[in-house]
Amino acid sequence: DTGVSQNPRHKITKRGQNVTFRCDPISEHNRLYWYRQTLGQGPEFLTYFQNEAQLEKSRLLSDRFSAERPKGSFSTLEIQRTEQGDSAMYLCASTIGTGGAGYTEAFFGQGTRLTVV
Amino acid sequence: AQSVTQLGSHVSVSEGALVLLRCNYSSSVPPYLFWYVQYPNQGLQLLLKYTTGATLVKGINGFEAEFKKSETSFHLTKPSAHMSDAAEYFCAVSNTGRRALTFGSGTRLQVQP
Repeated sequence: DTGVSQNPRHKITKRGQNVTFRCDPISEHNRLYWYRQTLGQGPEFLTYFQNEAQLEKSRLLSDRFSAERPKGSFSTLEIQRTEQGDSAMYLCASTIGTGGAGYTEAFFGQGTRLTVV
Repeated sequence: AQSVTQLGSHVSVSEGALVLLRCNYSSSVPPYLFWYVQYPNQGLQLLLKYTTGATLVKGINGFEAEFKKSETSFHLTKPSAHMSDAAEYFCAVSNTGRRALTFGSGTRLQVQP
């Protein structure tokens, strides 16, 4: 396993178009997170999945954003009717959620950089 | 609610000098604390973490951090900076619940020859 994989690495789209990003987590990891990072800022939490269930969505995730994780494996993040403000790096991370007090490290992918023109 | 404040968006040190990156957090429950490093156009790599136990934690590449509950701080240090340490550093907080990370706004470290 080579880690968390995100595709594409870069995406340029025209305002109003729809885009979809893919994240392939580390195979045994049951938790998957999406973050958004704008220039000069730290990543901001968008949503997370435990297996195929989407357990939490940030208020940052407007109704133009939708995320799925069918069968608890890879995940997709779709943005409809893109706006210039959606330009950012979208990061995916995965980890093993034990449900207890223990902690396992979250591993990040290299991100997808979206530019909306 | 949780939050992280990183003091100083840019820090410049000479090669061989001490590195000190400051982080203060706010959390209503016992926190998990992290430092991540990010190189240009890359994802984040974990440097070190504090969950429970010893408050002085050592990480990769010679970095360490000390959890000080009374000061709500988790400052990152390295005794001697190397040119390869130039990067963006993020402090983050989490808890035992959903484990999502709340990040600070980052500190860009420059290392001068």
